[in-house]
Amino acid sequence: GAVVSQHPSRVICKSGTSVKIECRSLDFQATTMFWYRQFPKKSLMLMATSNEGSKATYEQGVEKDKFLINHASLTLSTLTVTSAHPEDSSFYICSATAVQGQQNIQYFGAGTRLSVL
Amino acid sequence: DAKTTQPTSMDCAEGRAANLPCNHSTISGNEYVYWYRQIHSQGPQYIIHGLKNNETNEMASLIITEDRKSSTLILPHATLRDTAVYYCIVRVDQGKLIFGQGTTLQVKP
Repeated sequence: GAVVSQHPSRVICKSGTSVKIECRSLDFQATTMFWYRQFPKKSLMLMATSNEGSKATYEQGVEKDKFLINHASLTLSTLTVTSAHPEDSSFYICSATAVQGQQNIQYFGAGTRLSVL
Repeated sequence: DAKTTQPTSMDCAEGRAANLPCNHSTISGNEYVYWYRQIHSQGPQYIIHGLKNNETNEMASLIITEDRKSSTLILPHATLRDTAVYYCIVRVDQGKLIFGQGTTLQVKP
């Protein structure tokens, strides 16, 4: 299957700082990428849809000024958690849609574990 | 909201087939069923997907009922490394995948 790389895998930061997470599709181009967050023992929650060359679409309840998404190229989307606070500590996961024939398959990164002190 | 329901947990003996059921009674005619799994602290891994025909690949088989209201993922010979949370997902508009709670499969020696 296609490969999605996510970096960093783990980050620890102080409260009030901003953290950037990168999501790259390594062997395919992705006009659409998705960002999820996952709390311990919970399922993945979709945060936003990242669209190449246009603004991201956020799910209800997700603050767009808090979670800045940039999708400047067909292989890279970034999520910036601005002014992070302890309640933002979570597992953030990205995915990218690969078109294989007539099928669209989402492939996921390995995730980024964010800990805000 | 997720459009699927799955049992919370299941056990399977190593080497035996694992059959994971999923109900998706409100699925629309052009919506696909996708299966992913998530091993602890990793990103979800794509397994298989289908529309109405049964599908098989190197990882698993997907059996979809004729009315498309339910499906079963089959891992033919489960190993300890297959222990994971398995998610059955009906893909919605704009290609979004809305995850439910999934089934925690425990493969036991």
